Amino acid sequence: AQSVAQPEDQVNVAEGNPLTVKCTYSVSGNPYLFWYVQYPNRGLQFLLKYITGDNLVKGSYGFEAEFNKSQTSFHLKKPSALVSDSALYFCAVRAPGYSSASKIIFGSGTRLSIRP
Amino acid sequence: DAGVTQSPTHLIKTRGQQVTLRCSPKSGHDTVSWYQQALGQGPQFIFQYYEEEERQRGNFPDRFSGHQFPNYSSELNVNALLLGDSALYLCASSRLSAGELFFGEGSRLTVL
Repeated sequence: AQSVAQPEDQVNVAEGNPLTVKCTYSVSGNPYLFWYVQYPNRGLQFLLKYITGDNLVKGSYGFEAEFNKSQTSFHLKKPSALVSDSALYFCAVRAPGYSSASKIIFGSGTRLSIRP
Repeated sequence: DAGVTQSPTHLIKTRGQQVTLRCSPKSGHDTVSWYQQALGQGPQFIFQYYEEEERQRGNFPDRFSGHQFPNYSSELNVNALLLGDSALYLCASSRLSAGELFFGEGSRLTVL
């Protein structure tokens, strides 16, 4: 069974500093990995995904994520944080392939707080 | 191009009642997944529909049921509501062959 862990409930960063939000996963085979962001009382917005190829994936709003197969990690990063990045971030994993067993499982979320 | 739309946005029910939530997927998408998100938690997978059939199911009781129509829209039904069913219910659509999900804004259910 697939699973994903976000070890930090909250990450606090000063504006302009780099940020990292951690994620580790467990799945059979090569995973599909995702990051989503959620603002208060809203649905989830897709940020980026890794399916195959370059281990560094670039996404929306200047975010990027690094896939590390040996450490089964997919950490979200941004070189310079903005106050507007403050939100709830979710890592998610899907088992590979086109079969009907394609559910996406989400982590518990990390609240990112950027102070001015 | 309309994204994923859900209705109603908010609703209040009492214990024991039944509720139906509706979802229209993004244009071109054929798969609909439903998630329950309790306050302060991550979305929990309820089930996924493709070709009008339930393809995958999470760890939810039979009180939770669904349907997908020929136009790919979907309904989530919850019977015999419990206080613990209070949550944000998220619908997400995708193409089965693709990766990411596109989410609606959710239906917030309060059970009193």
